Amino acid sequence: GAGVSQSPRYKVAKRGQDVALRCDPISGHVSLFWYQQALGQGPEFLTYFQNEAQLDKSGLPSDRFFAERPEGSVSTLKIQRTQQEDSAVYLCASSLRAGGLETQYFGPGTRLLVL
Amino acid sequence: DQQVKQNSPSLSVQEGRISILNCDYTNSMFDYFLWYKKYPAEGPTFLISISSIKDKNEDGRFTVFLNKSAKHLSLHIVPSQPGDSAVYFCAASDNYGQNFVFGPGTRLSVLP
Repeated sequence: GAGVSQSPRYKVAKRGQDVALRCDPISGHVSLFWYQQALGQGPEFLTYFQNEAQLDKSGLPSDRFFAERPEGSVSTLKIQRTQQEDSAVYLCASSLRAGGLETQYFGPGTRLLVL
Repeated sequence: DQQVKQNSPSLSVQEGRISILNCDYTNSMFDYFLWYKKYPAEGPTFLISISSIKDKNEDGRFTVFLNKSAKHLSLHIVPSQPGDSAVYFCAASDNYGQNFVFGPGTRLSVLP
């Protein structure tokens, strides 16, 4: 019974570098969420997928952030030209059905540090 | 402006006593509320939820109370156990459930 997995667990990037963060949701889960959690804060919503469709990307902080889920399973969050303010833990969550009022199961997160 | 507030950054409680964690929200469109628990280096784990049509939901040692007129909810843990020591996040959503807003969290320490 695998849960949500994320890779890498830790990433150090130089300012200006592009990074890609991967999320493997629980098999068969329709909904997938990305969150950004700054130090000492709660997770902040970034984007939501229902299968392969990105239904809400209102939380993405800039056009440097891009997410995809091309086959409705694995998702990648890409950050281009990273800035120091992008340093945070990036959390992925999945839920069984659409709409998200289901229980969300979170991965352990990827801690990104931009120097 | 924070839509979900948890005004106590930390709380210490003796083992066996009641822990009460509070959460306030400002958006009257929120209809569904959740509590998550988070241990270090792990993702948040769902604990309990409540929809706005109810004022109380209970699951074992955990009870969530919702006062919609005051835009306030609370999580009660009775009796508190050392394993309950974690950061607790309150989260809220409208009834579409696609965009969850989290509070900043309260760190609970249960002392043996």
